[in-house]
Amino acid sequence: RKEVEQDPGPFNVPEGATVAFNCTYSNSASQSFFWYRQDCRKEPKLLMSVYSSGNEDGRFTAQLNRASQYISLLIRDSKLSDSATYLCVVNIGAYNTDKLIFGTGTRLQVFP
Amino acid sequence: DTAVSQTPKYLVTQMGNDKSIKCEQNLGHDTMYWYKQDSKKFLKIMFSYNNKELIINETVPNRFSPKSPDKAHLNLHINSLELGDSAVYFCASSPPRHTTSYEQYFGPGTRLTVT
Repeated sequence: RKEVEQDPGPFNVPEGATVAFNCTYSNSASQSFFWYRQDCRKEPKLLMSVYSSGNEDGRFTAQLNRASQYISLLIRDSKLSDSATYLCVVNIGAYNTDKLIFGTGTRLQVFP
Repeated sequence: DTAVSQTPKYLVTQMGNDKSIKCEQNLGHDTMYWYKQDSKKFLKIMFSYNNKELIINETVPNRFSPKSPDKAHLNLHINSLELGDSAVYFCASSPPRHTTSYEQYFGPGTRLTVT
């Protein structure tokens, strides 16, 4: 079983749509959680951290369910510029270091 | 004012050759990483260094040897290159763990093609 699993997509949605991505992780000792975004042939960049209480950043809402080991990302009012691959990331690092485990990513294509 | 830079951006070489990729960060971070992203886009950690000390070594073949001359640089040397080494290699850095942000900052990547 992969440590972090995501639906690879692609998700093809029209502008203005709401789209949700899900992710599950296997290591119950995981400490922190993130969504990164990767544009084609570019480096990954942090989109947002994910907290158990849920957090929102503009059109983006992330949620963590530790009991189910499940992470979600909701994008409202999709823009063309949201087209990218969204990577679910889990930190399983020990005391003095971070060790990020990346999912294989979910590809989003927003069309006009 | 690139935060994390890598050279070269593209590297095409033949099997059996030895090559190096250089990475520098000007963010003042203590920890640096090397990741490999294969043809299926799977991004996997290879090494991490904290203040020039090796912290993570993820069962990478010993043909891969990282070297950190100072905490702003982490280079990757690869001996006897194989076809399966073809991938994009990303360098990253992160601030000290006691800070509130765990964000890792990635370099632009080095696309290695072994023929």
